[in-house]
Amino acid sequence: IAGITQAPTSQILAAGRRMTLRCTQDMRHNAMYWYRQDLGLGLRLIHYSNTAGTTGKGEVPDGYSVSRANTDDFPLTLASAVPSQTSVYFCASSENLDSGRDTQYFGPGTRLTVL
Amino acid sequence: QKEVEQNSGPLSVPEGAIASLNCTYSDRGSQSFFWYRQYSGKSPELIMFIYSNGDKEDGRFTAQLNKASQYVSLLIRDSQPSDSATYLCAVTRDGGTSYGKLTFGQGTILTVHP
Repeated sequence: IAGITQAPTSQILAAGRRMTLRCTQDMRHNAMYWYRQDLGLGLRLIHYSNTAGTTGKGEVPDGYSVSRANTDDFPLTLASAVPSQTSVYFCASSENLDSGRDTQYFGPGTRLTVL
Repeated sequence: QKEVEQNSGPLSVPEGAIASLNCTYSDRGSQSFFWYRQYSGKSPELIMFIYSNGDKEDGRFTAQLNKASQYVSLLIRDSQPSDSATYLCAVTRDGGTSYGKLTFGQGTILTVHP
């Protein structure tokens, strides 16, 4: 089934630990995105990638890093987790970034709790 | 001022009524407008997009855009309990540093009661 998968589904993490959230899409989309969703704040863009090998910072990039080694995978890493990173994380993809009109498709999300 | 603002609600309407969801945006460079629906515990899914001033209809859904007033709305006719969800407004601009990237409002919770 075509779409986006994310792993893990949920995770409880001790502060200071390193964590990588995984995202894989099989739609051969060029653009991929990571968002966090917090109550009352909506979805906020963390990082994005226009194509394999390129990444960019979104609205709230601090404390997060990404890589895009190939078209399908776009992992998000928290180098040293802090409680303020407790959130639901969504990965998304679209055919391209440049048009601004391509539909973004979202993965099922990862619920992360940092204690 | 937030870039994209929505009334967080909750908005409660009876079954069969018209639900009206509103969104304002601050960036006059915004060109493309999207409405996503998000059920509790699920991921957002696109239900409508609109690029030009005026109305766009798709089944029970109508999106309305007024760029002069920086206002976009979503009307849901014949509301059903299955429409109960959070509705997210999102915008992109077609140029500048925010090129192509969605900016979301905080969402409006809609409840349709039988």
